[in-house]
Amino acid sequence: DVKVTQSSRYLVKRTGEKVFLECVQDMDHENMFWYRQDPGLGLRLIYFSYDVKMKEKGDIPEGYSVSREKKERFSLILESASTNQTSMYLCASSSHGGLAGDNEQFFGPGTRLTVL
Amino acid sequence: DQQVKQNSPSLSVQEGRISILNCDYTNSMFDYFLWYKKYPAEGPTFLISISSIKDKNEDGRFTVFLNKSAKHLSLHIVPSQPGDSAVYFCAATSGSRLTFGEGTQLTVNP
Repeated sequence: DVKVTQSSRYLVKRTGEKVFLECVQDMDHENMFWYRQDPGLGLRLIYFSYDVKMKEKGDIPEGYSVSREKKERFSLILESASTNQTSMYLCASSSHGGLAGDNEQFFGPGTRLTVL
Repeated sequence: DQQVKQNSPSLSVQEGRISILNCDYTNSMFDYFLWYKKYPAEGPTFLISISSIKDKNEDGRFTVFLNKSAKHLSLHIVPSQPGDSAVYFCAATSGSRLTFGEGTQLTVNP
């Protein structure tokens, strides 16, 4: 069974703290993604990666960075957490595949981050 | 600019009736469309998809319709069940990156 796991389900941090969110997938997928989900805004892409050590900015990269040192692991870093980064963070992965059917992304359970 | 829009934040239907969730897009380069379902405190799970070369795809109680000329897709659930109550996201892509709509909260009342 395919699996994407995220290091924490719930996290509470203080303003200014450095925060690490970890994501691991066991499907040998090349692509990995970080989204945040906010009410009324849907899923917004923060960063994504097509391969190890590669990263691309998504729609809302400000205040975030990422790291992909191994194929199976994609980390999201909040350099200095702020209250407007309180959100649900979702990690996903997908295969490269040239076929349209390979566009399906598999999601982790999410991390609910609260910044006080 | 919002390239994928779900204009109805919520929808309420009776058990056994049809649920119709709608989605509009603006980018004519999108060639593949997906629907995801999300329960609270869980990640989204893939439900059904459709390629732009088709206008309909069916999987059990779920059918997705695509109208390319109108840049509109819809998800039909028949018959609706209380377990279908969730947030439904439509997504569109022309490569590996998905663009999601805002989501529609579906509530199916027993």
